Amino acid sequence: NAGVTQTPKFQVLKTGQSMTLQCAQDMNHEYMSWYRQDPGMGLRLIHYSVGAGITDQGEVPNGYNVSRSTTEDFPLRLLSAAPSQTSVYFCASSVLAGGVHEQFFGPGTRLTVL
Amino acid sequence: GDSVTQMEGPVTLSEEAFLTINCTYTATGYPSLFWYVQYPGEGLQLLLKATKADDKGSNKGFEATYRKETTSFHLEKGSVQVSDSAVYFCALSEGSGGSNYKLTFGKGTLLTVNP
Repeated sequence: NAGVTQTPKFQVLKTGQSMTLQCAQDMNHEYMSWYRQDPGMGLRLIHYSVGAGITDQGEVPNGYNVSRSTTEDFPLRLLSAAPSQTSVYFCASSVLAGGVHEQFFGPGTRLTVL
Repeated sequence: GDSVTQMEGPVTLSEEAFLTINCTYTATGYPSLFWYVQYPGEGLQLLLKATKADDKGSNKGFEATYRKETTSFHLEKGSVQVSDSAVYFCALSEGSGGSNYKLTFGKGTLLTVNP
């Protein structure tokens, strides 16, 4: 199994550009999430999905869109990039194990918005 | 809302030293507690977890005990190695069964172990 994969690993955008961060998992997990990691802030939840066709907002959803058309894929879209969206983005999928969700994280995408 | 507070870093230790990273939490119910580790350039990996009061999670020589009376989940290791150098995150999730899929993270503690 490849686990959780993310592309690209690095990206530089100009303010106002749009792009999609890709996330895929091959573990047949129902739950998937996007987090952003900023210095001194830990990880904050952007959007999450409890299954194909179902998404919901997390703590910091503004400026981001998601969709979940398949169990495997959960792309994150930036419609009009802003410098405040410079961050490292992590995708995660989770499985229920022993009564709690164990989250598996991808390697991250480092995004810089100029 | 839920929150996690962990000790500010960075923490620098010599090899074989004892490690403690403090973590306290605020939650409305009875959360599950986690420690995640992030090695340089990588994503987060689950290190250990505990789901109820007095549970002790352990893995790779690390331990943490769920203390409900002090709302704490401190991470400890008796003898650290250079390979333990990483960022450590304390986290919680609320809800039972299938609803506890959202994590709330602390800010992370950078640990550097020198030979």
